[in-house]
Amino acid sequence: DGGITQSPKYLFRKEGQNVTLSCEQNLNHDAMYWYRQDPGQGLRLIYYSQIVNDFQKGDIAEGYSVSREKKESFPLTVTSAQKNPTAFYLCASSVTVSSYEQYFGPGTRLTVT
Amino acid sequence: GQQLNQSPQSMFIQEGEDVSMNCTSSSIFNTWLWYKQDPGEGPVLLIALYKAGELTSNGRLTAQFGITRKDSFLNISASIPSDVGIYFCAGQSPGNKLTFGGGTRVLVKP
Repeated sequence: DGGITQSPKYLFRKEGQNVTLSCEQNLNHDAMYWYRQDPGQGLRLIYYSQIVNDFQKGDIAEGYSVSREKKESFPLTVTSAQKNPTAFYLCASSVTVSSYEQYFGPGTRLTVT
Repeated sequence: GQQLNQSPQSMFIQEGEDVSMNCTSSSIFNTWLWYKQDPGEGPVLLIALYKAGELTSNGRLTAQFGITRKDSFLNISASIPSDVGIYFCAGQSPGNKLTFGGGTRVLVKP
């Protein structure tokens, strides 16, 4: 079955710690994305990657970092510099960045206390 | 930047009712997408629209790409309890990233 997996589903961290969220896809898509969703809100783009070894900042990149060493994988690190890290994080992919249909993973809920 | 206004923000449905929601933009879009998100899950793509005036159905869902290219509508016919969730519109124009609306939360009438 092709799809996008995110792990873990729930993540708890202490303030001041960096944390890395996993995103893997086996759809053979070139483009991958990270979004943040706060309660009752829409999706805000954090970072996106058009191809391996390339990534671009989205609308709210401050306090986050990403890497794209493999086509299948696009991990997101939430650093201690992110002031309000508690949120629901969604990973998505599309065939290319020009392909408008994005497919989402199940999400990771991060709670920082 | 591009902005999408989605309305209503929330609505109550009664089983069997038809419901509608819409999205309007300050910019012209070439593509409109509609997603549904269940609680604690990722959004699932329901319908994609690529041409102004296009009307596309997916089961009991029908979406339209507005003729001005600045709006889109989603209708759910004969609603059932599992239609509950958050519906998002998203629009994209060439050279720009996908922009999401704030969502319409669909709830069941008590």
